[in-house]
Amino acid sequence: GENVEQHPSTLSVQEGDSAVIKCTYSDSASNYFPWYKQELGKGPQLIIDIRSNVGEKKDQRIAVTLNKTAKHFSLHITETQPEDSAVYFCAASKGTALIFGKGTTLSVSS
Amino acid sequence: DSGVTQTPKHLITATGQRVTLRCSPRSGDLSVYWYQQSLDQGLQFLIQYYNGEERAKGNILERFSAQQFPDLHSELNLSSLELGDSALYFCASSETGGNQPQHFGDGTRLSIL
Repeated sequence: GENVEQHPSTLSVQEGDSAVIKCTYSDSASNYFPWYKQELGKGPQLIIDIRSNVGEKKDQRIAVTLNKTAKHFSLHITETQPEDSAVYFCAASKGTALIFGKGTTLSVSS
Repeated sequence: DSGVTQTPKHLITATGQRVTLRCSPRSGDLSVYWYQQSLDQGLQFLIQYYNGEERAKGNILERFSAQQFPDLHSELNLSSLELGDSALYFCASSETGGNQPQHFGDGTRLSIL
């Protein structure tokens, strides 16, 4: 079945640095790729998404890239801030459901 | 605030018992999804309803069932509970049943003693 691999599992950066999280998926039929941020005690919050007919999408400090051929997609956060510290999940569509990666714990130190 | 409301926030019960988790989707959203989050399995899709009808099924155990009511709220019923059912259960909603952004509630933490 569909599998989503996410790396790294933990990421520590200094405030102001960039952070990159990478995911790969296995099902070539996947066509929707959202990213979620989860803070302690909260549900996953959608931060950006991309569809398979687009190669890149940007929203302020956050950008996502998609390489359909390689089945890779990545989240880029620039100028990181302490409030960016959280667990980030990538996901790929399987029909109308989402298959999630295992998550990346991002720590931004000031 | 995502607009998705889940109750209760916490639930503590014993093995063999049955519980019901409730979800109210965002205003205007017709589709509801249930996910289970545990340390070992991560976030796993359980089931989706769209406008009252079951749309998709994932790794949902036979002991678990769900439904979506005419007012679009949904309930997830878990029966014959086992220790391994302890997890966070999330509800998400989207406007339609297709590949639309899913917005998550803050979950119900279920603890089985």
